[in-house]
Amino acid sequence: KQEVTQIPAALSVPEGENLVLNCSFTDSAIYNLQWFRQDPGKGLTSLLLIQSSQREQTSGRLNASLDKSSGRSTLYIAASQPGDSATYLCAIREYGNKLVFGAGTILRVKS
Amino acid sequence: ETGVTQSPTHLIKTRGQQVTLRCSSQSGHNTVSWYQQALGQGPQFIFQYYREEENGRGNFPPRFSGLQFPNYSSELNVNALELDDSALYLCASSLVRGPANTGELFFGEGSRLTVL
Repeated sequence: KQEVTQIPAALSVPEGENLVLNCSFTDSAIYNLQWFRQDPGKGLTSLLLIQSSQREQTSGRLNASLDKSSGRSTLYIAASQPGDSATYLCAIREYGNKLVFGAGTILRVKS
Repeated sequence: ETGVTQSPTHLIKTRGQQVTLRCSSQSGHNTVSWYQQALGQGPQFIFQYYREEENGRGNFPPRFSGLQFPNYSSELNVNALELDDSALYLCASSLVRGPANTGELFFGEGSRLTVL
């Protein structure tokens, strides 16, 4: 059974700092990995999708990496801003239909 | 192009009642998935519909059921509501060309259900 763990559970940083969020998974037989952002009480916004054959994806200040062999992914956020404050979720797509989510990292960027 | 829309946004029910939540998929998408997100946790997969048939289900009892319509919109029905059913229910759509769904998912804003 796939299990997804995100570390840290919460993170508070000053504005402008670069930061890394971690995601680990127990079963390397995945199709892809997707990072989401969730604002309080809201739905999920897709940030980056990495296919199993890829090593990383970049979008603006965000960079996500994937190492299937070690069961790890990282989300790097450069030059953080107060507007980046949210919960960040990583999700694994296994063969079939479902995403398996971690519990998320709550990020607070202080101005 | 419209995104995924869900209704209602909030609702309150009592134990034992039944509820129907609705989802309109993003334009051009043919697959809908439903997730339950309890407070402070990640979303949990309930089931997915492709071509109007359920083609994947998570660890949820049969009182959780669904439908997908020819226009790819979907409903989630929950019977005999329990207190633990209180959660944010998220709908996600994607475009796939086969039953193995590996495309990117796009989520709606969710329906917040409170069971008293």
